[in-house]
Amino acid sequence: SQKIEQNSEALNIQEGKTATLTCNYTNYSPAYLQWYRQDPGRGPVFLLLIRENEKEKRKERLKVTFDTTLKQSLFHITASQPADSATYLCALDMDSSYKLIFGSGTRLLVRP
Amino acid sequence: EADIYQTPRYLVIGTGKKITLECSQTMGHDKMYWYQQDPGMELHLIHYSYGVNSTEKGDLSSESTVSRIRTEHFPLTLESARPSHTSQYLCASSGGQAQWGYTFGSGTRLTVV
Repeated sequence: SQKIEQNSEALNIQEGKTATLTCNYTNYSPAYLQWYRQDPGRGPVFLLLIRENEKEKRKERLKVTFDTTLKQSLFHITASQPADSATYLCALDMDSSYKLIFGSGTRLLVRP
Repeated sequence: EADIYQTPRYLVIGTGKKITLECSQTMGHDKMYWYQQDPGMELHLIHYSYGVNSTEKGDLSSESTVSRIRTEHFPLTLESARPSHTSQYLCASSGGQAQWGYTFGSGTRLTVV
């Protein structure tokens, strides 16, 4: 069955360091992959999209990579800040039908 | 600023009651979605709509129903609430251009006692 895996353990890092989160998927050949941020009790907020023909995408302190051979995306936050503490979700449109399937997310904690 | 609104934010209701969760968006998006999310768990798609008078069931079986009579409005109804329906319900919309992602509402946290 189709599956999206994100590290369920929280990532705890020091302010100023780079946070790297991983998203692995199986049995998909998605045209693109999206990353969202979710704060407790709130809906997810869209951050970035990367297409299958793009290796890397950047937006301010965020960088996303997409390796369709490994079926993996990496999400990086450079110069992390305590305000970056949240859960980060990756999502795929598995059959280009405009229906997103979400991973369970990885919680990021940035210590001051 | 959120352009998609969900009401109520919190709802505690007794078993057997009929409830409607409201979702409205002001962006003119054709595509709208309902997801269900339990604490610490992934979002599960329960309903979606590609436009007026279009509704489909998602990947997670749900006893709820939806309607799409107007572009901006996508309410979700439970005819008879049960404790197993306790969860967070998130509404989202999309303009169809993947690069803009989904816009989510703040959610309704439903507790059935």
